[in-house]
Amino acid sequence: SYVLTQPPSVSVAPGQTANILCGENNIGGRTVHWYQQRPGQAPVLVVYSDSDRPSGIPERFFGSNSGKTASLTITGVEAGDEADYFCQAWDTDTNNYVFGTGTKVTVL
Amino acid sequence: QVQVQESGPGLVRSSEPLSLSCTVSGGSISNSYWSWVRQTPLKGLEWIGYIYDGAGTNYNPSFRSRVTISGDRSKDQVSLNVKSVTAADTGTYYCARKISGKAAFDIWGPGTVVAVSS
Repeated sequence: SYVLTQPPSVSVAPGQTANILCGENNIGGRTVHWYQQRPGQAPVLVVYSDSDRPSGIPERFFGSNSGKTASLTITGVEAGDEADYFCQAWDTDTNNYVFGTGTKVTVL
Repeated sequence: QVQVQESGPGLVRSSEPLSLSCTVSGGSISNSYWSWVRQTPLKGLEWIGYIYDGAGTNYNPSFRSRVTISGDRSKDQVSLNVKSVTAADTGTYYCARKISGKAAFDIWGPGTVVAVSS
């Protein structure tokens, strides 16, 4: 089955930039969405359709997709950004919504 | 503002059926796609299936043989029924709305925890 692989963890100092990858060159042209999940809470959509932001999401959250690998970039990282981040795509081969393995962002 | 609340038994015995409910307030299940997504220690986040307009359904092939999603438009409720649970079904179950025209989920409930005991 289709798997969206993410690095298990990313560490970043406050004010710096965090870059989270999704797909390891097998995005296959799929559209990618990103979620933030703080401990004990439900996921929150932070980027959809590769690079659009829902209302209320800061411009510090930026998504991109090369067709092979997708990424979520968080600029000016704050302590409140410490969370798990998941990518997600629709797999047309299996008609299935697939989530990435998740990346834990730690703010140093 | 649309809000979602899941509910369930919390603890279920292995091989028993599981029934979860999702109530939507400030909105409707009509003309929307409502999904069940679960999060388990073993598999992470998994999409289980959706119901559209409180009636049409589509399931993850991995779950199709043992789950049913149904809707009650009069109560704006969506339900998930699992025929027979195992320890691997232990986790948090979320109800989530798909954005119209997109394959992303913009509204999530807080989730309901399910523990399967032997």
